[in-house]
Amino acid sequence: AQSVTQLGSHVSVSEGALVLLRCNYSSSVPPYLFWYVQYPNQGLQLLLKYTSAATLVKGINGFEAEFKKSETSFHLTKPSAHMSDAAEYFCAVSSWNNAGNMLTFGGGTRLMVKP
Amino acid sequence: NAGVTQTPKFQVLKTGQSMTLQCAQDMNHNSMYWYRQDPGMGLRLIYYSASEGTTDKGEVPNGYNVSRLNKREFSLRLESAAPSQTSVYFCASSDRAGGLDTQYFGPGTRLTVL
Repeated sequence: AQSVTQLGSHVSVSEGALVLLRCNYSSSVPPYLFWYVQYPNQGLQLLLKYTSAATLVKGINGFEAEFKKSETSFHLTKPSAHMSDAAEYFCAVSSWNNAGNMLTFGGGTRLMVKP
Repeated sequence: NAGVTQTPKFQVLKTGQSMTLQCAQDMNHNSMYWYRQDPGMGLRLIYYSASEGTTDKGEVPNGYNVSRLNKREFSLRLESAAPSQTSVYFCASSDRAGGLDTQYFGPGTRLTVL
């Protein structure tokens, strides 16, 4: 069974600093990987997804993530944090069965951005 | 285009009471899902419906039932609420096109069981 580990339940950065949110997964087959973002009191929105094509995936709002098979990682980065990036971020791995696409989520990382 | 809508937004129940959470999507998606979100645990799948007329258990189905009323609507029922079911509940939907499904989430229902 797939699993996802997000290192650090809380990450704090200064505005303009690099954002790095860590995600490691376990999967017996090549995975599909996702990052979702949840703004306060809202549902989750897709930030980006890895589809077995390019290992560097660009998403919305300047975020990107790199798939590293050797490290079983899919870390999320953004060169310069903005106050509006404050949110909770979830990494997820997809597994397929006859019924469809099932997501296994990590525990989430809350990003705080200091002025 | 409303996407995925959920009602109610908030609910407080007493132990043993029952309630139904409603979910509807207007994206003509085949698959729908119910998750619960608890601090530090991410989202866990309760039940899903791959297509109209089918439902299957997810990771944490105990204490819940679901109904796929039609292609648009997927409801979650708590027959006898327990404090352990205090959580935020999210409904999601996805389309199977291309074999890679992005899931679209509703705004959530915050449920407290006293």
